[in-house]
This record gives sequence, C-alpha cells and structure tokens, in this order.
Amino acid sequence: EVQLLESGGGLVQPGGSLRLSCAASGFTFRSYAMTWVRQAPGEGLDWVSTINIGGAYTYYTDSVKGRFTISRDNSKNTLYLQMNSLRAEDTAIYYCAKGGLYSSSPIDYWGQGTLVTVSS
Amino acid sequence: QPVLTQSSSASASLGSSVRLTCTLTSGHSNYIIAWHQQQPGKAPRYLMNLEDSGSYNKGSGVPDRFSGSSSGADRHLTISNLQSEDEADYYCETWGSDTRVFGGGTKLTVL
Repeated sequence: EVQLLESGGGLVQPGGSLRLSCAASGFTFRSYAMTWVRQAPGEGLDWVSTINIGGAYTYYTDSVKGRFTISRDNSKNTLYLQMNSLRAEDTAIYYCAKGGLYSSSPIDYWGQGTLVTVSS
Repeated sequence: QPVLTQSSSASASLGSSVRLTCTLTSGHSNYIIAWHQQQPGKAPRYLMNLEDSGSYNKGSGVPDRFSGSSSGADRHLTISNLQSEDEADYYCETWGSDTRVFGGGTKLTVL
C-alpha cells in the first residue's frame, strides 16, 4: 500500500523558514517523480514544485522560485521542501504527491498533508 | 502552458448521474489530464487519468460508477448512481511547459 506521510509543518513568522519532509513507503520511491501541492484555507489546489526521479530536474511555480527548494533522498525514501523567506500567502496545507515515471506524469497518490501557518 | 477550466459548482440527485467537465485551452486539446476528488476535510484522492482518445485508467479502489470520456478539448468525468459520499470537490490536473496545472475545481452537491 502506497503511503506518504508529511511532517514539519507549523507556525512560523513572516520571513522565517521551515523544512517539510515526506516519508514514502509501499512503492519504489527512486522510480517515481514527486510533487508538492498546497491548498490555502477555502481555496483550490495549487501546484508548488515537482522533482524528477533522480533529483537532477526540479520545477517550481513562479511565486516560490528562489525561496523554496525541493529535494529528495532516494536512500531514505524521503522527499523534502525547504521553505525560506516565508510570507503570509504561503499559509496552506502542503500535500506530498506521487507521480509517474516522468515529471509530466499525473499525480496518482496523495499524502494527508501538513499545515503551514505564516503569521506574526 | 495549458489552462484548465471547470464550472464552479454542480448538483444532482441521489441515485442519478452527473457529468463534470474540464476544458483545455486551445492548442492543448491533445493533453492527458487527471481527475482528483476531495471530500470535505480530507486530502485529495486520485480518480483517473484520461486521454484525448477517451481512454482512461482508474486508480486503485475507484468504484465502477466513475468513468471518463473526451470530446475535443473537453475531458469529462461521469459519476453514475450518485451516492452521498460523492459530494466533494473535483479537480482536473495536467502538465505543460514545465508546469503542473490544476483546474479551479467543481463543487458537487448531491441533493
């Protein structure tokens, strides 16, 4: 059974940093692209970032470029999202999601999410 | 990059059928999309991916009541024999120009 377990969310002040983790199990982690998606309160799904299977190729939505960094450790079956210079508008539930072989492959599994609140 | 357009809301009666539509922008009508369901207070769930040919592949455990079809730039999700648990937000998703895109979502109400 595919499982994606996010952690690392919490309350942080504007300008602060957080590192989200996603522990994956139930599939061969190193063989699949991975994605972070966020959802602000009462809003729709908003793509944040995607990483390819080896970690060499990364993609970001414009609003987080230069502030967020996606990475993966295939030896630990873990996906990360380093978030710096956080803003109030980054407040959201952050979901880890599994894709397919390619970065362009659709998402086919979702984690339960971790809440990030940016507020003073 | 593609843009996905969805109606903001839909409603249908218990036991009936409903068809939700996701429309791709001009020039992207051959793109594959995915449908996801988000029940209130829960994480999203993958339902299926859907090709321009109308061929679709459902996720594990997705009931037979859910099916997909395509017509030009439109990608449809049909839910038959509506159940109360089908009341949810439905999102379509695709990829283009190194960007993942979601539609705005359709809130389905089961009457």
